[in-house]
Amino acid sequence: NAGVMQNPRHLVRRRGQEARLRCSPVKGHSHVYWYRQLPEEGLKFMVYLQKENIIDESGMPKERFSAEFPKEGPSILRIQQVVRGDSAAYFCASSPVEGSNQPQHFGDGTRLSIL
Amino acid sequence: RKEVEQDPGPFNVPEGATVAFNCTYSNSASQSFFWYRQDCRKEPKLLMSVYSSGNEDGRFTAQLNRASQYISLLIRDSKLSDSATYLCVVQKGGGNKLTFGTGTQLKVEL
Repeated sequence: NAGVMQNPRHLVRRRGQEARLRCSPVKGHSHVYWYRQLPEEGLKFMVYLQKENIIDESGMPKERFSAEFPKEGPSILRIQQVVRGDSAAYFCASSPVEGSNQPQHFGDGTRLSIL
Repeated sequence: RKEVEQDPGPFNVPEGATVAFNCTYSNSASQSFFWYRQDCRKEPKLLMSVYSSGNEDGRFTAQLNRASQYISLLIRDSKLSDSATYLCVVQKGGGNKLTFGTGTQLKVEL
């Protein structure tokens, strides 16, 4: 059974470019979460999606960031016009069903570096 | 005040020692509790869920005190391979986002 797959593992962008991070959940999982870990900080929730729906985006910056989880294909976290402060590790997690006490399984993460 | 607070450490302990980490959370509506482990800023890996009655998994014991809103993790007979950052994680009822503490760093030495 494949776990959560994220790609790319490392992404380098120049300021002003766009970054696209992809996440394929564990097979059979319909819930996807994105977290960001800034250097020297803990993981912070960004967004929670189900297929074709954004459930909770309370952790997403108001501008430049968007996320989707289409009916077919991986979840995408998109960052437009990247700035140096976007440099971080972005982790995706998935879980099978809604409800508390369902552990989330994390992908390897994408390390985004902005030049 | 942070939602989940942990002592960042580092805790430097000799192999074979017993070490305990505590964590406090501020939201009394939190319903689920976990310890995750993170190595060198790789992906967090679930170590164990934490139940009100306390639970044990091999050398690891987790406790939850809802009245005091704190969670603990006890590691017995520490191994070199236990060296990592231990993340205290809470989850509110009704929503599924996880709220992480900043982690406690453990270094087990020869």
